[in-house]
Amino acid sequence: EAAVTQSPRNKVTVTGGNVTLSCRQTNSHNYMYWYRQDTGHGLRLIHYSYGAGNLQIGDVPDGYKATRTTQEDFFLLLELASPSQTSLYFCASSGDISQNTLYFGAGTRLSVL
Amino acid sequence: GDSVTQTKGPVTLSEGTSLTVNCSYETKQYPTLFWYVQYPGEGPQLLFKVPKANEKGSNRGFEATYDKGTTSFHLQKASVQESDSAVYYCVLGGASGSWQLIFGSGTQLTVMP
Repeated sequence: EAAVTQSPRNKVTVTGGNVTLSCRQTNSHNYMYWYRQDTGHGLRLIHYSYGAGNLQIGDVPDGYKATRTTQEDFFLLLELASPSQTSLYFCASSGDISQNTLYFGAGTRLSVL
Repeated sequence: GDSVTQTKGPVTLSEGTSLTVNCSYETKQYPTLFWYVQYPGEGPQLLFKVPKANEKGSNRGFEATYDKGTTSFHLQKASVQESDSAVYYCVLGGASGSWQLIFGSGTQLTVMP
């Protein structure tokens, strides 16, 4: 069974603050993804990566940076957090782009005050 | 563009009653269709997927038929249990030649004992 671990599980910051969300997968998957989940919008893709050092832009990338340091680790960075970024963030991984079965972490709830 | 529309929740049912969550999709391509389920406090997980039109997918008593004629993929279960309380997402994959998954807005199901 795929294992994706996110940290922290909860985070509160202030407007303009600097936040880093972490994700580690232990499945040797090539692909990793960051989504945000908001009521009425389902899940929306922020960034994704197909390997260490690679970064691809998703559908809602504004205000977010991401970095894939190793095959296992994928980080989401909010350098000037805004209240509109208050959301539930999910990291996911998949072994192959054609498989398109995602394994999700448990999520990080971020509040920007 | 490609899209997925599903039953707006929340849906509340009594144990033992039947469930239908409607899902309609729009695409000019030949997608794979998925249902994902998200239990409280967890990330979404795959319930089942159907890669070909006119085929049925099933898991844990849930089932859906990929109907290309009506562009629908309705989720059904004959007799729901309290443990089925979750958010259900209809998902479109591989549309428009893209690998990306397009999530519906989700349907919150609560089953009362």
